[in-house]
Amino acid sequence: GQNIDQPTEMTATEGAIVQINCTYQTSGFNGLFWYQQHAGEAPTFLSYNVLDGLEEKGRFSSFLSRSKGYSYLLLKELQMKDSASYLCAAPRYNTDKLIFGTGTRLQVFP
Amino acid sequence: ETGVTQTPRHLVMGMTNKKSLKCEQHLGHNAMYWYKQSAKKPLELMFVYSLEERVENNSVPSRFSPECPNSSHLFLHLHTLQPEDSALYLCASSPAGDRVVSFFGQGTRLTVV
Repeated sequence: GQNIDQPTEMTATEGAIVQINCTYQTSGFNGLFWYQQHAGEAPTFLSYNVLDGLEEKGRFSSFLSRSKGYSYLLLKELQMKDSASYLCAAPRYNTDKLIFGTGTRLQVFP
Repeated sequence: ETGVTQTPRHLVMGMTNKKSLKCEQHLGHNAMYWYKQSAKKPLELMFVYSLEERVENNSVPSRFSPECPNSSHLFLHLHTLQPEDSALYLCASSPAGDRVVSFFGQGTRLTVV
């Protein structure tokens, strides 16, 4: 089986840093994705981690620990436009078919 | 704009109607997907087509019927739907056989009345 868990909602202040956690249980591991989805829009790709460690991409970074079944998305210098849902996803074992968590809805306040 | 286009963006249909959702991509991808996104639930994979062949059907009711006439187009034919089928239906595509990113369309917001 495959299970992906992430918090339902988070709030943060403009200019702050926020960390969105994701835990996963899979029968195998083929990497972990993060997507951003603004209300009424398509999910867009943010990051893909397959090795342990932190990968930085501008204001967004993603971390993976395969031994702990754990990932997080770190957003720095938050902007109002970062208010969106952040979806954690992992391919089903031995396939490239993505299985998604419920998403974390982030609200950024002034 | 992700290169995956879905029409219509919004659809309201009665339980006895027949309608179709359309998805189009010109990214040269070989795999196309239909997902269902309901409120407060994870994105659910419905159908997968790879090289125009259906390779997965995740126990979706027969009132949803997919069609993939070529690698650039994907349809979802709908008939005798139920109110609980109201959701956002997302199409995605990716290069088949590789651990790469799926590109999503903006979805069709379906309401069944």
